[in-house]
Amino acid sequence: EAQVTQNPRYLITVTGKKLTVTCSQNMNHEYMSWYRQDPGLGLRQIYYSMNVEVTDKGDVPEGYKVSRKEKRNFPLILESPSPNQTSLYFCASSRRGGGNQPQHFGDGTRLSIL
Amino acid sequence: QQPVQSPQAVILREGEDAVINCSSSKALYSVHWYRQKHGEAPVFLMILLKGGEQKGHEKISASFNEKKQQSSLYLTASQLSYSGTYFCGSSTDSWGKLQFGAGTQVVVTP
Repeated sequence: EAQVTQNPRYLITVTGKKLTVTCSQNMNHEYMSWYRQDPGLGLRQIYYSMNVEVTDKGDVPEGYKVSRKEKRNFPLILESPSPNQTSLYFCASSRRGGGNQPQHFGDGTRLSIL
Repeated sequence: QQPVQSPQAVILREGEDAVINCSSSKALYSVHWYRQKHGEAPVFLMILLKGGEQKGHEKISASFNEKKQQSSLYLTASQLSYSGTYFCGSSTDSWGKLQFGAGTQVVVTP
């Protein structure tokens, strides 16, 4: 089954403790992206990747890191999480560039930073 | 800057119509529409590219006026299954950044 898989689905952690949210897709998609969703703000893009080793900032990249060493994986790293990063996070992928291709979303990861 | 959606919320009875608007201050290459049900991931509805074409998905259709940088989503003869939050996304090129509006919550009642 074609899918985007995120792990973990839920995480409660404390300020400053490094964490990684994994994202994997099995559709051989070139484009992958991370979004955060906050009430009243919709989806805001954090980082995106157009292919292996090619990443770029979205609208809210501060406090996050990403890497794209393999086509299928696009982990999101919070080196020193803070409470303002408490949010619902979605990973998405598409066959090629994000502008003209449907985005396939993962089921989301709810992060709570205390 | 994120595209601006209106209205923020709409309540419909089954069978009624609604229009959701999305506008941007930038010259757009494409507009996307997604629907998200509570507790689930957003699901793709359609993409409209420069050229003003109208697209359809069941009884949901959309238009894109590239001169005005506006798109509208039309919910026709709404069904209970149309309830959810609708997001428009916009991009200025085919490659990278995709920006979403804040969403329009649609509630369809029997």
